[in-house]
Amino acid sequence: GAGVSQTPSNKVTEKGKYVELRCDPISGHTALYWYRQSLGQGPEFLIYFQGTGAADDSGLPNDRFFAVRPEGSVSTLKIQRTERGDSAVYLCASSLPGNEQYFGPGTRLTVT
Amino acid sequence: RKEVEQDPGPFNVPEGATVAFNCTYSNSASQSFFWYRQDCRKEPKLLMSVYSSGNEDGRFTAQLNRASQYISLLIRDSKLSDSATYLCVVRNSGNTPLVFGKGTRLSVIA
Repeated sequence: GAGVSQTPSNKVTEKGKYVELRCDPISGHTALYWYRQSLGQGPEFLIYFQGTGAADDSGLPNDRFFAVRPEGSVSTLKIQRTERGDSAVYLCASSLPGNEQYFGPGTRLTVT
Repeated sequence: RKEVEQDPGPFNVPEGATVAFNCTYSNSASQSFFWYRQDCRKEPKLLMSVYSSGNEDGRFTAQLNRASQYISLLIRDSKLSDSATYLCVVRNSGNTPLVFGKGTRLSVIA
């Protein structure tokens, strides 16, 4: 079956611009996670949704970052006023409650 | 101090070698433990879960020592295709997010 998909696969933007990254989880997976992976580091947690609500957003680095999941399926991570330090691979994962998390291929964000 | 710490890499080993990765975690309340594999420019994929009794999957053996908060992964008879980054991962409970180590890069050389 279809895995987790993320679009775009690559995004280059200028400092100060707004970007949206999209995640399509595996059908039926109620839990959805966003992580960020910088070069040479492991993924770091950003936000976790259970259904439509953000169950834990403690990993969001500041108020420029926001994520939504309005219908409990697709999620969008939104970054305002991008900075060069936001450059990273943004990974989305989905799971059934308490089960293995399946990762999407990620969106590589480059802020110039 | 990072919540999950791993051996610094990279590890460069010849084919057929045995290689061991070590990992420590700081949160004694952690409940679930995993090794993930990540190929270059790809997403992480679950290699194996780690159980207190130790577990084996073919050439791969994982061990957990809760008292020492220590996790290990042993790869026997290394193959070229084992070349990847190995990420030590813990989870504190149920649906909580995964906490990743920095990863250790393995290169298996012919």
